[in-house]
Amino acid sequence: GAVVSQHPSRVICKSGTSVKIECRSLDFQATTMFWYRQFPKQSLMLMATSNEGSKATYEQGVEKDKFLINHASLTLSTLTVTSAHPEDSSFYICSAGQGTTEAFFGQGTRLTVV
Amino acid sequence: GDSVTQMEGPVTLSEEAFLTINCTYTATGYPSLFWYVQYPGEGLQLLLKATKADDKGSNKGFEATYRKETTSFHLEKGSVQVSDSAVYFCALSLSHQGGSEKLVFGKGTKLTVNP
Repeated sequence: GAVVSQHPSRVICKSGTSVKIECRSLDFQATTMFWYRQFPKQSLMLMATSNEGSKATYEQGVEKDKFLINHASLTLSTLTVTSAHPEDSSFYICSAGQGTTEAFFGQGTRLTVV
Repeated sequence: GDSVTQMEGPVTLSEEAFLTINCTYTATGYPSLFWYVQYPGEGLQLLLKATKADDKGSNKGFEATYRKETTSFHLEKGSVQVSDSAVYFCALSLSHQGGSEKLVFGKGTKLTVNP
């Protein structure tokens, strides 16, 4: 099956700094990428949808200035958590798809802000 | 709004036991329904799906039937193996073509199978 690589798998950062998470589709071109967040014992929640070459569409309640998403190519999307705070600590996971076909998930990134 | 409620875990079974993980949903339209599995250290993988009422999805011995009357999509397996130990997520999508866009997930159920 298609492979989506997410990096890093785990990151610890200081409060106030920014962290970038990469999501790459390794063997297919992803026209659409999705970013999810999962808090402990909660569901994965969709944060935003990004289409290559255009601005991301954010879900209600997600701050677009805090969670910067860039989908500059058909194989790479990045999520930057700016001015991170401890409440941003969470599990972030991306998925990549080609429109209405199945989307494939990355391994996820565990972010801890101290 | 749309939501998925699945059985809370963790669930611990012995090898060859019967597995059921309950999943019910609330949706305004006619969703497609999915089960995803996440093995330790890996990303979510699609396990099975069903796109319309009475459809049965099946894969690797797992089955789930789309029950519109009970708004359910319970996951079953007749005889689990140690290698089935993972976290299982029920999800829905309102993509009419059965795509996985904008998935709404349940909280996940951790399954541990002991030898």
